[in-house]
Amino acid sequence: AQSVTQPDIHITVSEGASLELRCNYSYGATPYLFWYVQSPGQGLQLLLKYFSGDTLVQGIKGFEAEFKRSQSSFNLRKPSVHWSDAAEYFCAVGVNFGNEKLTFGTGTRLTIIP
Amino acid sequence: IAGITQAPTSQILAAGRRMTLRCTQDMRHNAMYWYRQDLGLGLRLIHYSNTAGTTGKGEVPDGYSVSRANTDDFPLTLASAVPSQTSVYFCASSARDRGSPLHFGNGTRLTVT
Repeated sequence: AQSVTQPDIHITVSEGASLELRCNYSYGATPYLFWYVQSPGQGLQLLLKYFSGDTLVQGIKGFEAEFKRSQSSFNLRKPSVHWSDAAEYFCAVGVNFGNEKLTFGTGTRLTIIP
Repeated sequence: IAGITQAPTSQILAAGRRMTLRCTQDMRHNAMYWYRQDLGLGLRLIHYSNTAGTTGKGEVPDGYSVSRANTDDFPLTLASAVPSQTSVYFCASSARDRGSPLHFGNGTRLTVT
């Protein structure tokens, strides 16, 4: 079975600074990879996804993520964060079946300071 | 606006009582899911349905039941609530295609006392 680890529970970043959120997965083949964002009191919203092809994926809100097979990682990045980026971020890994096999990480809470 | 509607938004429930959380989608997605979100545990799948008329068990199905009489509705029932079922519950839907992203409702915050 696949698994996903988000090693950082909470990250604090200054507004305008760069951001990298870590995600590592465990799976024997190439998985489907997702990043979701959850604002307070809301459901999760898809930021970006990787299936195959170009390992650098662009998403909404200026986010990008890079799939590195050798490191089993799919880290999320943003060059300059805005106060509105404060939220909880979830990495998820899917396999070659339906979404009933999708596994979520435990999330990273992002705080933005002025 | 297309999406998923969950009701109620929040509920306080006495232990032992029966409760049904409602979920309706208008995107004509084949697949629907119920997750619970608990601090430090992320999202865990309770039950799912890949198409109307079929359901399946997720990671944490005990104490919950679901039905899928039609494409749009996917209610989650707690037959006899217990305090450990205090959580935030999210309904989601997706197309049946491999790797299709999930679309989430805004959640139901349930407290069992």
